[in-house]
Amino acid sequence: QKEVEQNSGPLSVPEGAIASLNCTYSDRGSQSFFWYRQYSGKSPELIMFIYSNGDKEDGRFTAQLNKASQYVSLLIRDSQPSDSATYLCAVKGGNNFNKFYFGSGTKLNVKP
Amino acid sequence: DADVTQTPRNRITKTGKRIMLECSQTKGHDRMYWYRQDPGLGLRLIYYSFDVKDINKGEISDGYSVSRQAQAKFSLSLESAIPNQTALYFCATSDKRSGANVLTFGAGSRLTVL
Repeated sequence: QKEVEQNSGPLSVPEGAIASLNCTYSDRGSQSFFWYRQYSGKSPELIMFIYSNGDKEDGRFTAQLNKASQYVSLLIRDSQPSDSATYLCAVKGGNNFNKFYFGSGTKLNVKP
Repeated sequence: DADVTQTPRNRITKTGKRIMLECSQTKGHDRMYWYRQDPGLGLRLIYYSFDVKDINKGEISDGYSVSRQAQAKFSLSLESAIPNQTALYFCATSDKRSGANVLTFGAGSRLTVL
């Protein structure tokens, strides 16, 4: 079982819609959760991180964490074509406290 | 200039050759990492270092070695490159003093082994 699982997509949404990206993780002791965006051929860049159960909002982005269900999600409101990219979920902590584990990413296409 | 600089950005080599990928950072971070990225497999950790005297294996260290020459420099070596080491390699840094301890990535080094 992979440490971090994501649906590879592609997820297609129309411009202006809400995109919902999901991630599950296996280590119940995980403590820190990150969302990175990666454009094709480029390096990952941090969108946001979350530590506590519930929602965390930053502009058009909202991260949601449910530790009981071992589930973290990213919502993108008012999706723009420039949001088209691969979104990587990363998890840190737990049994391997100092390591980051990445999912394989979900490709998002926002259609004009 | 980029905070995390990787060289070379692209390299094509032949099976059996020794290759070194270099990473330097100006962020003053103590922690440095090497990841490889393959289509459909995400980012996998090769080695990581929390200071100059600390080197740790990641998930896929076989066939690789590293050297932390200084706090700002962390190099990855392939002693005898093989075709399945063809991948995109990323160096990353993080700072234990930062509460978030997020990773900052370099631009990547694309390696092709023929």
